[in-house]
Amino acid sequence: EAQVTQNPRYLITVTGKKLTVTCSQNMNHEYMSWYRQDPGLGLRQIYYSMNVEVTDKGDVPEGYKVSRKEKRNFPLILESPSPNQTSLYFCASSRSHPSSYNSPLHFGNGTRLTVT
Amino acid sequence: GQQVMQIPQYQHVQEGEDFTTYCNSSTTLSNIQWYKQRPGGHPVFLIQLVKSGEVKKQKRLTFQFGEAKKNSSLHITATQTTDVGTYFCAGDSGNTGKLIFGQGTTLQVKP
Repeated sequence: EAQVTQNPRYLITVTGKKLTVTCSQNMNHEYMSWYRQDPGLGLRQIYYSMNVEVTDKGDVPEGYKVSRKEKRNFPLILESPSPNQTSLYFCASSRSHPSSYNSPLHFGNGTRLTVT
Repeated sequence: GQQVMQIPQYQHVQEGEDFTTYCNSSTTLSNIQWYKQRPGGHPVFLIQLVKSGEVKKQKRLTFQFGEAKKNSSLHITATQTTDVGTYFCAGDSGNTGKLIFGQGTTLQVKP
């Protein structure tokens, strides 16, 4: 089944403790992206990747890192999490650039992160 | 930078009533996309509009892209409880790789 898999679904951690949220897609998609969703703010892009070894900042990249060593994986790293990073995180992928015709975003099930 | 504004933020309707959400961009968009997120779920792609003035229908849902390609709307005729969720528009002003999402409109439908 074609899907985007995120892990974990839920994560509670403490300030400063490094964590990684994994994201994997099995559709051979070139484009991958991370979003955070907060009430009243919609989906804000953190980082995106157009292809392997190519990553770029979205609108809210501060406090996050990503890597794209393989086409299928796009982990999100929080080196030193803070309470303002408590949020619902979504990984998404698309066949090519998401603005291309017939290249919609496919989202994972989300990771709800709480930083205390 | 580019902004995509969506109104209203919330809408409560009686089942059978119509519903419309509006999306406005500060810049001209190359295309607009619409996604639906059910409660507790993830966003799911509904449609993409590319041409100026384009109108597309999916059963009871009608999507429009403005002539200036700076605004869009989603209209649902005769809402059903299955329409409950948050509807997001998303646009990209110039193939930047940054698909900007609106804040979303959360629709509640009373049976």
